[in-house]
Amino acid sequence: QQKVQQSPESLSVPEGGMASLNCTSSDRNFQYFWWYRQHSGEGPKALMSIFSDGDKKEGRFTAHLNKASLHVSLHIRDSQPSDSALYFCAARGMSNYNVLYFGSGTKLTVEP
Amino acid sequence: EAAVTQSPRNKVTVTGGNVTLSCRQTNSHNYMYWYRQDTGHGLRLIHYSYGAGNLQIGDVPDGYKATRTTQEDFFLLLELASPSQTSLYFCASSVPGQGNERLFFGHGTKLSVL
Repeated sequence: QQKVQQSPESLSVPEGGMASLNCTSSDRNFQYFWWYRQHSGEGPKALMSIFSDGDKKEGRFTAHLNKASLHVSLHIRDSQPSDSALYFCAARGMSNYNVLYFGSGTKLTVEP
Repeated sequence: EAAVTQSPRNKVTVTGGNVTLSCRQTNSHNYMYWYRQDTGHGLRLIHYSYGAGNLQIGDVPDGYKATRTTQEDFFLLLELASPSQTSLYFCASSVPGQGNERLFFGHGTKLSVL
């Protein structure tokens, strides 16, 4: 069983709309969460990190973390066609800071 | 932006064949990683290393060997390739730390085992 689960598998939103992606962990050891984005034909790139309870905003992107429920979400407002990509949630635990575990990904399509 | 270069970009081999995937990073990062990406599984860690001569086992190591020859170079070896190893392989690098360090990925190697 994967340690990081993502939902939905795929998501389609209209241009200018809000996209919401979810991630949960089954391991209470995980304390550090990341979102990575992968455009077609490229390697994943780090989008943003969140380590504290609450919201973290970076431009049109807002991440939310609830450590008690081990739930992380990513919200993209005013979605653009260039946001169409595969989004991965990833987590690290206190037992080994240097290993990053990834979820299975959410494919986001922003329709013009 | 940190640079990670993988070669080849595409590779086709036959079952039982011998394959070596190469990765070079010019970021002076200590840590290097090999992941495989498959639909429905996301990215799964095969092996990683924190320096020349070091090797750590990841979550899906069976059928794979790896070697870190220098700070810059990390190789993934498939000595008896099987169709189940058909996948997209990514190399990544990072600095060591307390959990808030990002990984820098290469563009990937698409491997097909016929």
